[in-house]
Amino acid sequence: QQQVKQSPQSLIVQKGGISIINCAYENTAFDYFPWYQQFPGKGPALLIAIRPDVSEKKEGRFTISFNKSAKQFSLHIMDSQPGDSATYFCAAIQGGSEKLVFGKGTKLTVNP
Amino acid sequence: NAGVMQNPRHLVRRRGQEARLRCSPMKGHSHVYWYRQLPEEGLKFMVYLQKENIIDESGMPKERFSAEFPKEGPSILRIQQVVRGDSAAYFCASSPRLAGPYEQYFGPGTRLTVT
Repeated sequence: QQQVKQSPQSLIVQKGGISIINCAYENTAFDYFPWYQQFPGKGPALLIAIRPDVSEKKEGRFTISFNKSAKQFSLHIMDSQPGDSATYFCAAIQGGSEKLVFGKGTKLTVNP
Repeated sequence: NAGVMQNPRHLVRRRGQEARLRCSPMKGHSHVYWYRQLPEEGLKFMVYLQKENIIDESGMPKERFSAEFPKEGPSILRIQQVVRGDSAAYFCASSPRLAGPYEQYFGPGTRLTVT
């Protein structure tokens, strides 16, 4: 049972474009939703995170949009750059738990 | 402040051998988590440890896998009698857990190949 569903599996964007990655969840007990960026051969790096009491959080070119009623959240990368090419994972964690539950990842390629 | 350190970065074992993976958390972090990443998959939680205690091992396979985080030294993930299906990247994360477990910082991983 996949608790966090992520789409698309892969994404190709032109430099300067907007990259959008979507995630959906079922467990309403999740109360923290981080996004991780992973480059080949490296560990995941925390990028940005949101709690369900806010609908949007922005840090630089990265924005998380959160729709609690739809149980969906998304990552928007504005002005995408070739250096953003990486695999992005959404995740969720339930209050009282220590386990991050990850989506399967989206491989983003930003063409110059 | 050094990040989470893992070694070795790459490990090759033959079927039936033992694999030992080490993780040193970030300075000041006393909570360690192990995750496994299969090819083309997201990370899957394995175990959560504090110093000298296993808190949650619900993601650990019942047999052959064990983990520890001693009072002194790194956390160790041990896989006995490895099989080909154990080939994966194993990531360790640590957390300061000042206000909850949420911020977990990952190491570079150990890529285990079983031949």
